[in-house]
Amino acid sequence: AQSVSQHNHHVILSEAASLELGCNYSYGGTVNLFWYVQYPGQHLQLLLKYFSGDPLVKGIKGFEAEFIKSKFSFNLRKPSVQWSDTAEYFCAVREKDTGRRALTFGSGTRLQVQP
Amino acid sequence: KAGVTQTPRYLIKTRGQQVTLSCSPISGHRSVSWYQQTPGQGLQFLFEYFSETQRNKGNFPGRFSGRQFSNSRSEMNVSTLELGDSALYLCASSLGPVLVETGNTEAFFGQGTRLTVV
Repeated sequence: AQSVSQHNHHVILSEAASLELGCNYSYGGTVNLFWYVQYPGQHLQLLLKYFSGDPLVKGIKGFEAEFIKSKFSFNLRKPSVQWSDTAEYFCAVREKDTGRRALTFGSGTRLQVQP
Repeated sequence: KAGVTQTPRYLIKTRGQQVTLSCSPISGHRSVSWYQQTPGQGLQFLFEYFSETQRNKGNFPGRFSGRQFSNSRSEMNVSTLELGDSALYLCASSLGPVLVETGNTEAFFGQGTRLTVV
């Protein structure tokens, strides 16, 4: 079965530090890739998505992610984090060519940004 | 444009009871998926409905069921509740048939229903 790994479970950064959260998936076929964010007490919100084309995608709030097909990775980056980025971040993958539209989520990374 | 609406937001049930949760998707969206979120297991896929038909099902026991109505609203039901069913249940809606079939569709999530089984 498809699996998604987020190796960093809890990350603590100071404001203005750079961020990179890892995401690796196992499915060998064509995929759609997503990063969602869940702020405390709020619903899951889409940060960015990759469907096809340019493997470097830009999302909201200054986030970007790079799809590296050979590494089955879709890492999330932000050059300078803010206190308001404190949240839980989830990577999600959809198998595009199987018709299975369900998202498989990683276990999440809790980001804590200290002022 | 209204987002995905889930009701109720909070629910407390006793072990052995059953519960029904409701989800109204974004207007025009025809695909509804349900996910269970717990601290231990994370986000796990329950099932997906499209045009009133269940299209995909996750690895949950038969106590978990769902349905979708002609207006795309969906309900999920859990019978014979167990303590381990305590979780945040999330509903996500996706766009109509063309985008769904190509796979290029993004899911929009509701705020969830927090179910506590005591």
